[in-house]
Amino acid sequence: GENVEQHPSTLSVQEGDSAVIKCTYSDSASNYFPWYKQELGKGPQLIIDIRSNVGEKKDQRIAVTLNKTAKHFSLHITETQPEDSAVYFCAASLDTGRRALTFGSGTRLQVQP
Amino acid sequence: DGGITQSPKYLFRKEGQNVTLSCEQNLNHDAMYWYRQDPGQGLRLIYYSQIVNDFQKGDIAEGYSVSREKKESFPLTVTSAQKNPTAFYLCASRWANTEAFFGQGTRLTVV
Repeated sequence: GENVEQHPSTLSVQEGDSAVIKCTYSDSASNYFPWYKQELGKGPQLIIDIRSNVGEKKDQRIAVTLNKTAKHFSLHITETQPEDSAVYFCAASLDTGRRALTFGSGTRLQVQP
Repeated sequence: DGGITQSPKYLFRKEGQNVTLSCEQNLNHDAMYWYRQDPGQGLRLIYYSQIVNDFQKGDIAEGYSVSREKKESFPLTVTSAQKNPTAFYLCASRWANTEAFFGQGTRLTVV
């Protein structure tokens, strides 16, 4: 089955700096790659997603890039703010079979004021 | 508002007891999922259902059971066979291979 690895596990940046989180996946058939933000004691919420027919997608301060050949994708957050502090998860899924999202292990992002 | 509702928010289980976690959605999604989250770890798939009256084991199904009698509901029972049930449980639903919507979770603790 699919396996998703995520790095780093923790990331501390100064307010205004950029943050980058990287994920790799194992199943070349995976074609949907979402990123979720989870605040303490709450369920994850989608912040951005990308499909395998697109190499990059941007939404204001957040962007995701996908390299299908290398089977990795990354989340980029620019001009970080204290409210960006949370745990971020990458995930992957495909159109066939169980279609369930397989998640990375998460990155705890701390933005220092 | 459309969304997923999990209840209760906190649940305490005694040794040898079965407990049931509720998950209801009004998003008209066919697929529903149960995930388990342990501290500092990612989400692991317990069970999933892609259609009413059908469900499949995920990666860590031992000690759990589910039912899917209605499209809107996908309850999870944590049985006494689950030896380490203390965790944060998350229910999700999605349409096809698109965004998954999550509930706010149930924190289960063994006492």
